[in-house]
Amino acid sequence: DTAVSQTPKYLVTQMGNDKSIKCEQNLGHDTMYWYKQDSKKFLKIMFSYNNKELIINETVPNRFSPKSPDKAHLNLHINSLELGDSAVYFCASSHGGPGQPQHFGDGTRLSIL
Amino acid sequence: SQQGEEDPQALSIQEGENATMNCSYKTSINNLQWYRQNSGRGLVHLILIRSNEREKHSGRLRVTLDTSKKSSSLLITASRAADTASYFCATDAMGAQKLVFGQGTRLTINP
Repeated sequence: DTAVSQTPKYLVTQMGNDKSIKCEQNLGHDTMYWYKQDSKKFLKIMFSYNNKELIINETVPNRFSPKSPDKAHLNLHINSLELGDSAVYFCASSHGGPGQPQHFGDGTRLSIL
Repeated sequence: SQQGEEDPQALSIQEGENATMNCSYKTSINNLQWYRQNSGRGLVHLILIRSNEREKHSGRLRVTLDTSKKSSSLLITASRAADTASYFCATDAMGAQKLVFGQGTRLTINP
């Protein structure tokens, strides 16, 4: 199936740990994104990459480091997890830039104990 | 600051009725998009309306855009139980290089 897939779906971990979330799209899109959705459903852009180049870093703490090994992948590594990092993280992709329709993965629910 | 604000925050109607959701935004835009999010799932793109368009249809969906009032509405006609979801507007503001999402309207269709 063509899709944006992210793993894991659930991530439960302790404060201070380091974790990674992986994202892959097989839609042939050139732009990929990470969003954070809080408990009130507010969705906020974190990063966007176009052809593996960072184009948006939306004042995210440098504990968050995205990595794009190729156009089809955008992974998110988080160091020293804090309670406030608990949220649902969504990966998305689009063809032709951020103003085009975006395709979302089903999210990774991160819970910090 | 948040670009889009949606109204109402929650809407509950009977199956078969029409549902209308509104979105207001603050700056000039290239386009405005509507997305649906089912519980526990990612957002799904529904429709995109460009700044020079006033109305657009897709199946049971009708979207209007009034750039003078900086507002948009999404109408779902003949609602079904499967339409139960949260609906988000997102604006592609000029020069922003990102979509900015509203806080969403939670729609419940009662059988």
